[in-house]
This record gives sequence, C-alpha cells and structure tokens, in this order.
Amino acid sequence: GQNIDQPTEMTATEGAIVQINCTYQTSGFNGLFWYQQHAGEAPTFLSYNVLDGLEEKGRFSSFLSRSKGYSYLLLKELQMKDSASYLCAVSPNYGQNFVFGPGTRLSVLP
Amino acid sequence: DVKVTQSSRYLVKRTGEKVFLECVQDMDHENMFWYRQDPGLGLRLIYFSYDVKMKEKGDIPEGYSVSREKKERFSLILESASTNQTSMYLCASSPRGAGSYEQYFGPGTRLTVT
Repeated sequence: GQNIDQPTEMTATEGAIVQINCTYQTSGFNGLFWYQQHAGEAPTFLSYNVLDGLEEKGRFSSFLSRSKGYSYLLLKELQMKDSASYLCAVSPNYGQNFVFGPGTRLSVLP
Repeated sequence: DVKVTQSSRYLVKRTGEKVFLECVQDMDHENMFWYRQDPGLGLRLIYFSYDVKMKEKGDIPEGYSVSREKKERFSLILESASTNQTSMYLCASSPRGAGSYEQYFGPGTRLTVT
C-alpha cells in the first residue's frame, strides 16, 4: 500500500525556524513534492526533491533521504503569513498521480 | 502563468441530485486530476485522465464518474449526491513527460449535500 505520515499540527514563533517531517512508504518513488495551502485556498507548489540531499529556495529548504523514506521542509525566519497547511506528496511512478500525506497545519504566533 | 479554474467556489445540493463540477486549464496539460479533501484525511484521488477521452480510477472512485471530451476540460459527476460526498473538491493539471511534474491546482469547490 501507499502511506505518508506527517505531524497533524505544529506551532512556532515569528522569526524562528521550524522543521516539518514527512515519512513515506510507497510502491515506487519518482519524486517528493511539498505544497503550501492557506485556509480556503488551493495548494501551491513549494519544492521538489528526487535525489538525496537538500534543496534550498529562499527561506524554504527541503531535504530527502530515499533510503530512509524521509523528507523534511525547513522554514526559516518565520512570518505570520507562513501560517498554513503544508502537504507532502510522493509521485510513485513517472508523471502520474501523487499520493498525498494528511498535511501539517502550522500556526505562527507573534 | 498556469491557470486552473473551477466552475463554482461553493455549491449546495440536495441528496439524490446529479451534480456536475467543471474544471478548465489553459496550459495545454495532458494530465488532469480530481481530488477531494477532508479534514485529517488529506487529498484523496478520485479520478484522473492522461488524455482526451481517457480516464483512470483513483483511490475513491465510488459514486463518481468523469468526462474529458476536450483536452482543457475535465468534469466530475456525482450521479446521485449523498451527504457523505460533502467535501472540498480540487481539480489539478500537469504536463506529461519522462519525469514527475508539479500539479497545478484550481481554487476548489466546497460542496454541501443536504
């Protein structure tokens, strides 16, 4: 079967750093995606990892370890607008459908 | 800039009604997807399509059907709406190629079945 786990909720303080973890067990692996979703809005793409290691994009970084079935999203210098749900998704095969995790709701407090 | 639009943001229907949810994308993407999103369950795939007139069942196709007569348009049909189909419905599209590509999502339709 396909299974992706993320923490349900996290809380952090404005200006801090937060790490959101994602573990996966899927029938295949052709990449891992992170999306951000503000309440009532569509998910928007944040990052993509297909090889092991860290991908950095401004305040956001994403890490992948394929041997451990593990990824994390790192958010630095947190801002209030980062309060949102963060979705981890795996592509089990080439170019086809994703398997999504349940999402992690992040609350950034002043 | 990729744009995916959905016909309604909010919809209220009665049990037993036939419901049509429309999705249109303007980037000539081959792949289109329909998900539902419920608290604690994440996005679950209902149906997807690789090309015109092609469709594949996702994880939860029961009670739904789809239609793709044109490349840019993918419709989700609830043949006889039930209260357990009250949910947020999200459409997405992506290009087809050798690798994996991000999916672009529409704004969603919040459907309430009473």
